[in-house]
Amino acid sequence: GQSLEQPSEVTAVEGAIVQINCTYQTSGFYGLSWYQQHDGGAPTFLSYNGLDGLEETGRFSSFLSRSDSYGYLLLQELQMKDSASYFCAVRDAGRRALTFGSGTRLQVQP
Amino acid sequence: GAGVSQSPSNKVTEKGKDVELRCDPISGHTALYWYRQSLGQGLEFLIYFQGNSAPDKSGLPSDRFSAERTGGSVSTLTIQRTQQEDSAVYLCASSLGRGDSYNEQFFGPGTRLTVL
Repeated sequence: GQSLEQPSEVTAVEGAIVQINCTYQTSGFYGLSWYQQHDGGAPTFLSYNGLDGLEETGRFSSFLSRSDSYGYLLLQELQMKDSASYFCAVRDAGRRALTFGSGTRLQVQP
Repeated sequence: GAGVSQSPSNKVTEKGKDVELRCDPISGHTALYWYRQSLGQGLEFLIYFQGNSAPDKSGLPSDRFSAERTGGSVSTLTIQRTQQEDSAVYLCASSLGRGDSYNEQFFGPGTRLTVL
C-alpha cells in the first residue's frame, strides 16, 4: 500500500517563498504529482515529477528525490490567491489511479 | 473547450435511498476516475475506467457502490441504500489515458452528497 505525509497547515506572507514537503511510502513508484484546491473548488493539476530533480512552472517548482522518497512544492512570490490546500499524490507502478496525501492548507497573509 | 462536468452539484437524500451521480469527462479522454472527499480530508480513490471497462475497482468501499461507463464517455456512480457515512463530495476526473498523462487528471466540480 501507499502512505504520504505532508504538513497540515502552513502560513506565510505575501511575497514570501514557501516550501511544502511530502514524504511517501509505496510498494512501487511511478511519479509524484501536486494538485491545488481552493475552498469549494475542484483540485487542479500543478506539476508532475517522474524523475529526480526540479521542475519549474512559473512561480511554482516541484522537486523529487526517489532515493529519499521525498518531494516538495516550492511557491515563490506568494500572492493572496495562492491561499488553498495543496495535495501531493503518487501513482504506483502498474496502477492508473492516484493516492493523495491529506493536504496542506496554505494561508497567505498580507 | 469544455471541462469535466458533474451532476447534480448537490444532492440531499434520506438514509436508505439510492442515488445516482453523473460525470461527463473531457471529450477524447479515455481514462475516468471517481474519488470522494470528506470535509477537510484528502481524496479517496473509488474506481478507474479505461474506456468502458473498470480494471481497478479496489477503492469501492462496499457492494452498495457501483459504477458504469457507456460509449467511452459518460459515467454513473450509483450508491444503494445510502448511509450517513456516505456523505462526502464525490469527484470525477478524466485524463488522456496513456503514458504520463495518468498523473495529470482533470477534475470536475464534484457532487456534494448529504445523507440525512
